[in-house]
Amino acid sequence: SQTIHQWPATLVQPVGSPLSLECTVEGTSNPNLYWYRQAAGRGLQLLFYSVGIGQISSEVPQNLSASRPQDRQFILSSKKLLLSDSGFYLCAWSVREGYTFGSGTRLTVV
Amino acid sequence: RKEVEQDPGPFNVPEGATVAFNCTYSNSASQSFFWYRQDCRKEPKLLMSVYSSGNEDGRFTAQLNRASQYISLLIRDSKLSDSATYLCVVNGDSGYALNFGKGTSLLVTP
Repeated sequence: SQTIHQWPATLVQPVGSPLSLECTVEGTSNPNLYWYRQAAGRGLQLLFYSVGIGQISSEVPQNLSASRPQDRQFILSSKKLLLSDSGFYLCAWSVREGYTFGSGTRLTVV
Repeated sequence: RKEVEQDPGPFNVPEGATVAFNCTYSNSASQSFFWYRQDCRKEPKLLMSVYSSGNEDGRFTAQLNRASQYISLLIRDSKLSDSATYLCVVNGDSGYALNFGKGTSLLVTP
């Protein structure tokens, strides 16, 4: 079966600390993968998408970066977190119709 | 103009009521349309796709008006478990990524 894993579920990090969120998918090959962020009271904002290994497209310039070292692995990173990076981070992959999302990481930068 | 716009609500309705949500989108070239449901502090989940001819899934009916760039979702015989935020989703310019509305909040009361 096709599944998507995302961790950790919650994270509290101090300002200026680094970040690494990992997303992996199973049961499919060469998926399109996406990172979205949902800030409090706001809609989902597309951050990055990837159509293959090493291929990253950035939708919004910001303090974050993404990498796809393996076909089924998508990583969201930051060297120095800002308060404004707080939010609900969601990884997703394309299925025939729409997306399937991971369970998300709720990040609080303090 | 935002790419996908929805009335944020909240919509407070009694059990058994019929409720309709509307959504407009700005990209006339969009080809894929969806409604997602998001429960509090959870990831969005696909509720249904929206087809040009309109489609129905049990108590849920989705319709698309391409000329007006308008999408609707009708929920009949509302249940308490229908309480959630409903997200209108449209594919973006890149063809890969989806654009999400901010969502319409529904609360069904006994």
